[in-house]
Amino acid sequence: EAQVTQNPRYLITVTGKKLTVTCSQNMNHEYMSWYRQDPGLGLRQIYYSMNVEVTDKGDVPEGYKVSRKEKRNFPLILESPSPNQTSLYFCASSYGPRLRDTGELFFGEGSRLTVL
Amino acid sequence: DQQVKQNSPSLSVQEGRISILNCDYTNSMFDYFLWYKKYPAEGPTFLISISSIKDKNEDGRFTVFLNKSAKHLSLHIVPSQPGDSAVYFCAAMTSGNTGKLIFGQGTTLQVKP
Repeated sequence: EAQVTQNPRYLITVTGKKLTVTCSQNMNHEYMSWYRQDPGLGLRQIYYSMNVEVTDKGDVPEGYKVSRKEKRNFPLILESPSPNQTSLYFCASSYGPRLRDTGELFFGEGSRLTVL
Repeated sequence: DQQVKQNSPSLSVQEGRISILNCDYTNSMFDYFLWYKKYPAEGPTFLISISSIKDKNEDGRFTVFLNKSAKHLSLHIVPSQPGDSAVYFCAAMTSGNTGKLIFGQGTTLQVKP
């Protein structure tokens, strides 16, 4: 089944404790991206990647890191999480590498992160 | 600064009637627009898109209209069904940047039986 898989789906952590949210897609997509969803703000892009070893900042990259060492994986790293990073996170992928080639993103089910 | 705005947080319609969801944008460089639907506890799913060279695109019960001069787009759902109850996000991208997709805040649609 074609899918984007995120782990963990739920996590409660404490300020400053490094964490990684993994994202994997099995559709051989070139393009991958991370979003966070917050009430009243919709979905905001954190980082995106148009190919292996190619990453770029979205609108809210502060406090986050990403890497794209393999086509299928795009982990989101919070080196020192803070309470304002409490959010619902979505990973997404697309055929790409140019998102506008199709514009259609396939999203994971989301990871709800709480930073105390 | 919200470049894509959905000013109605929620909308309630009766089953069988038309649902109209609105979206405004401020960046005149946006030239491709999309709508996504999101159910609770799931990721968003693609619904329909429109390029700025068009002013209308249809897919079954869903039609998106684009008014470039007003920087406004709308999604029409006819007829509305209870299964359409979800959060709807509009999104936009520019021709110059091939990786950024800007979303609006979302509108929660409730279709009552």
